[in-house]
Amino acid sequence: EVQMVESGGGLVQPGGSLRLSCAASGFTLSSYVMHWVRQAPGKGLEYVSTIRINAGGDTYYGNSVKGRFTISADSSKNTLYLQMGSLTPEDTALYFCAREDNAFDVWGQGTMVTVSS
Amino acid sequence: QAGLTQPPSVSKDLRQTATLTCTGNSNNVGDQGAAWLQQHQGHPPKLLSYRNNNRPSGISERFSASRSRNTASLTITGLQPEDEADYYCSAWDSSLSAWVFGGGTKLTVL
Repeated sequence: EVQMVESGGGLVQPGGSLRLSCAASGFTLSSYVMHWVRQAPGKGLEYVSTIRINAGGDTYYGNSVKGRFTISADSSKNTLYLQMGSLTPEDTALYFCAREDNAFDVWGQGTMVTVSS
Repeated sequence: QAGLTQPPSVSKDLRQTATLTCTGNSNNVGDQGAAWLQQHQGHPPKLLSYRNNNRPSGISERFSASRSRNTASLTITGLQPEDEADYYCSAWDSSLSAWVFGGGTKLTVL
């Protein structure tokens, strides 16, 4: 079964850092383009980041996270990561990882990040 | 980051047809086409269509998508109670080198 499970979310103070993980199973991460998408409570979906694992590892970021977040992947662990830094309350959201096989075809359940003092 | 424009809400009667719209520009919807996602409360999004009118395996034929220049549309026929959800469009923006999402449309089935 194709599945992705996010972890690493939690409560963090403004200015802090956090690393999210997305463990993939049922498929080989390195064969796909992978994404992080977030959703603030009661709000819509917001694009966070992309890594083209299957094509040179190019990375892309949404304007709101550029320079603060870093996407990466470990093919040996079949796991996607999102290193988040300089966090602000506006980063509070449910963070989803998503696989791209003709758009976002598989999603994880998400991990909640709360930035608050 | 410029997003795609969707109406916040649409209400239709059971068994009727709903058409949801998504307006972008020539760098996103007009270029690569749009994908449509359905999200029920408390669940992750689910892909309904991609590149305008390609349905993933298992998606009902009641869902069909199209595009006219910079506007994408999702048509849902024979509305059912389970179609009540939030619907998002998304497209790759070649000028931003990033995906963009619409704000979402809440579909209510009366």
